[in-house]
Amino acid sequence: AQSVTQLDSHVSVSEGTPVLLRCNYSSSYSPSLFWYVQHPNKGLQLLLKYTSAATLVKGINGFEAEFKKSETSFHLTKPSAHMSDAAEYFCVALSGNTPLVFGKGTRLSVIA
Amino acid sequence: GAGVSQSPRYKVAKRGQDVALRCDPISGHVSLFWYQQALGQGPEFLTYFQNEAQLDKSGLPSDRFFAERPEGSVSTLKIQRTQQEDSAVYLCASSPRAGGYQETQYFGPGTRLLVL
Repeated sequence: AQSVTQLDSHVSVSEGTPVLLRCNYSSSYSPSLFWYVQHPNKGLQLLLKYTSAATLVKGINGFEAEFKKSETSFHLTKPSAHMSDAAEYFCVALSGNTPLVFGKGTRLSVIA
Repeated sequence: GAGVSQSPRYKVAKRGQDVALRCDPISGHVSLFWYQQALGQGPEFLTYFQNEAQLDKSGLPSDRFFAERPEGSVSTLKIQRTQQEDSAVYLCASSPRAGGYQETQYFGPGTRLLVL
């Protein structure tokens, strides 16, 4: 069975500084991996997805993530945080024809 | 265009009461998914429809949970004899094709259920 571990439940950064949200996955074979963002009172929105093509994936709003098989990681980064990035972020894995598996989420706070 | 909508947005129920949660997917979307998100947790899969057919209900936690999509569009998640542990946000998602879990899913804002 696959699982997703988000290493930090809460990350706080200053506006304009880099963002790093960490995610490790466990799967019997290489999964597809996603990052979703959840703003209060809004639906989950897909930021980016990895599906075994390029290991560095670029998403919306300046976010990107790198798939590292040797480390079983798929960390989300952004060079410069904006106030509007404050939200809950979920790392998600998909393996074969089975439902999406979500991590527990990381709450990102951005301080002015 | 309109996204996935869910109603009600908030529901307070007394323990033992039956509730019905509605999901309106994006028009024309073939696939529809329900998830349960407990406080401080990520969403967990409940069930999956392709048109009106319920192809996977492996995530439903008990026989008190029932979902339907009779005409292949709107879906209803029904919880009978609600318990306090049913308190959660219930998310609905839809996708345009019949590719199952591989297709990109578009999520609604959720229904927050509180069972007292």
